[in-house]
Order: sequence, then structure tokens, then C-alpha cells
Amino acid sequence: DADVTQTPRNRITKTGKRIMLECSQTKGHDRMYWYRQDPGLGLRLIYYSFDVKDINKGEISDGYSVSRQAQAKFSLSLESAIPNQTALYFCATSPRTDSSYEQYFGPGTRLTVT
Amino acid sequence: AQKITQTQPGMFVQEKEAVTLDCTYDTSDPSYGLFWYKQPSSGEMIFLIYQGSYDQQNATEGRYSLNFQKARKSANLVISASQLGDSAMYFCAMCPYNQGGKLIFGQGTELSVKP
Repeated sequence: DADVTQTPRNRITKTGKRIMLECSQTKGHDRMYWYRQDPGLGLRLIYYSFDVKDINKGEISDGYSVSRQAQAKFSLSLESAIPNQTALYFCATSPRTDSSYEQYFGPGTRLTVT
Repeated sequence: AQKITQTQPGMFVQEKEAVTLDCTYDTSDPSYGLFWYKQPSSGEMIFLIYQGSYDQQNATEGRYSLNFQKARKSANLVISASQLGDSAMYFCAMCPYNQGGKLIFGQGTELSVKP
């Protein structure tokens, strides 16, 4: 089984709808991250969480919210989806004690807003 | 400002030859990590190699090596003996350690390996 899972893997939704992307991990890591990737671009950080009670905005948090339900679960919500939120969304985890800060990525969720 | 620059949008290499993908970075943090990730057409992000800012030796992982030149703020990825399966997008990323592990990505280089 994959260490970092994302659901759904693909989603098409309409403008104005609320949608939630979910991320679960079995690696036991404290730190979790949400990134988005637009076509032809690198990943940009949306939100990150160092533990259940520590959630921080990233570079492009407007229009998004998150919830850290447990150490293993970190959800990203689009309250009212708009077409320019069409992108590939990645969840990632990182151990607090690992000095290399290597991040382990989920398989990605491809979201299309029509 | 923290920034990663990859100046090669696309690269071609002949199978079995070596190729260098360029990456320069900008940070005022004294401690940071540099990473390379591979993204095949299927979309997943695959970790390739890591270099710490205080590491004296250049990192190597199999056919991948990172040519780290701290004074020039460059962290080029060298792939030796290219294979057809190396065709993918390659992203350079930086993690300033005082920011809790956030990765800053470059825009990527698309590598195509020719048979």
C-alpha cells in the first residue's frame, strides 16, 4: 500500500461548488503539505501543517482552507471552486526529525473546474 | 527572496550519453537543502537526490549526481548513461531549514531521451 494516498485521484466539478481533497499517510510524519501544480510550472505551496494544532498559510492560500483531522490526515477544501483552480494537487509529508527534510509526495489529484 | 531558477525549459539527450540539468538558487538562509525530483508523464513526483548546504561532498545516487557549487549558488543535476525511461520533467527544489521544510520549486526542465 502507498504511504501517502490522495482521494479522489481525478475530479471534475462546476464553478461555485465546494470540494474537498483528502490526504492520508501511514508514514507517521508530523509535517504535511498541500501544493498545486499548474501546467508547465513547478509546485507552489498552498498550506502546511507541522502538527494537528499548527497550520500555516503558504504562498497561494487564497480560495483554499485546510483541516488537520489527525496526524495522518490533512484535507484541502475549495469553498467555491473557480476555473483557475484547475490544477494538479499534491499532498506531501515530512518527518520532523529528518534533517534532510525530504518530502514524500502522494500521487496527486487532478482537479478540473468547469 | 527565495527563488529557484531552471533556465532550460527543454533538453534532448542521446540514449547512453550524460546530461546536465541546470539549477541556480537564491536564499539568504545559511542552512538549506537542495532536491531534485522527477515527474514522468503519469504525474507522480519521484525524489531523486538531496544535497545539504553544509555537505562537503557532492551527492550521488546511482546514475544521478548533484554538482553543488555553493559560491555560485548552483545545484546542477547530472544524469549519466541516459535511458529512455529518463524522459520526464525534472524539478529542482530548495528547502530553507528555518522555514520548517517548505519546498520552493523551479519551473522544471523537460528532458527527452532519444534512442
